[in-house]
Amino acid sequence: GAVVSQHPSRVICKSGTSVKIECRSLDFQATTMFWYRQFPKQSLMLMATSNEGSKATYEQGVEKDKFLINHASLTLSTLTVTSAHPEDSSFYICSARPSLGGAADTQYFGPGTRLTVL
Amino acid sequence: AQSVTQLDSHVSVSEGTPVLLRCNYSSSYSPSLFWYVQHPNKGLQLLLKYTSAATLVKGINGFEAEFKKSETSFHLTKPSAHMSDAAEYFCVVSERGSGTYKYIFGTGTRLKVLA
Repeated sequence: GAVVSQHPSRVICKSGTSVKIECRSLDFQATTMFWYRQFPKQSLMLMATSNEGSKATYEQGVEKDKFLINHASLTLSTLTVTSAHPEDSSFYICSARPSLGGAADTQYFGPGTRLTVL
Repeated sequence: AQSVTQLDSHVSVSEGTPVLLRCNYSSSYSPSLFWYVQHPNKGLQLLLKYTSAATLVKGINGFEAEFKKSETSFHLTKPSAHMSDAAEYFCVVSERGSGTYKYIFGTGTRLKVLA
């Protein structure tokens, strides 16, 4: 149980284009999902907290117009990297917190999406 | 504010020998603490979780961790390392803020298992 998927697992795009990454909770509902960014050999950096049906909460220093988050249902959150540039290349990981049943403070992580911007 | 310190960035052990990955935390109240494992280019898998029910927590794949409040530690151990244990390990403390729980990550410990 508590499986989270991400799609795509890997994407290569040209500079200036936009890329959408999907995060799905497969066997549970998630009112809250989180988006992280991970640089090589570093820890995870929280970018934003995504709440179903409301606006995302972004961490300090994260451009909300650059990283658009939509959480339209209890099982799906999307992250769109707009006008991507090479410095946006990174490993993006989402997590989901079960709305029911699980402890309120436990997150289950997706497998990550490797974004490369040429 | 809460914080997590993983004392070793790299740990090397021989296959079949014990594993010890150290984690210290700071918290103003009883925290929830987690250990996650990340294999290369993969997401994070929950190994175990402490939430005040028992100080010795058993997790998956033979791992366990002991919560020691007096030492503010939550070290991860395994009696006998396996080659498949080679990965990055993150100690995490959960912090409540802005109406939801956020994770505070340690910097990670890379475990290398030698044949």
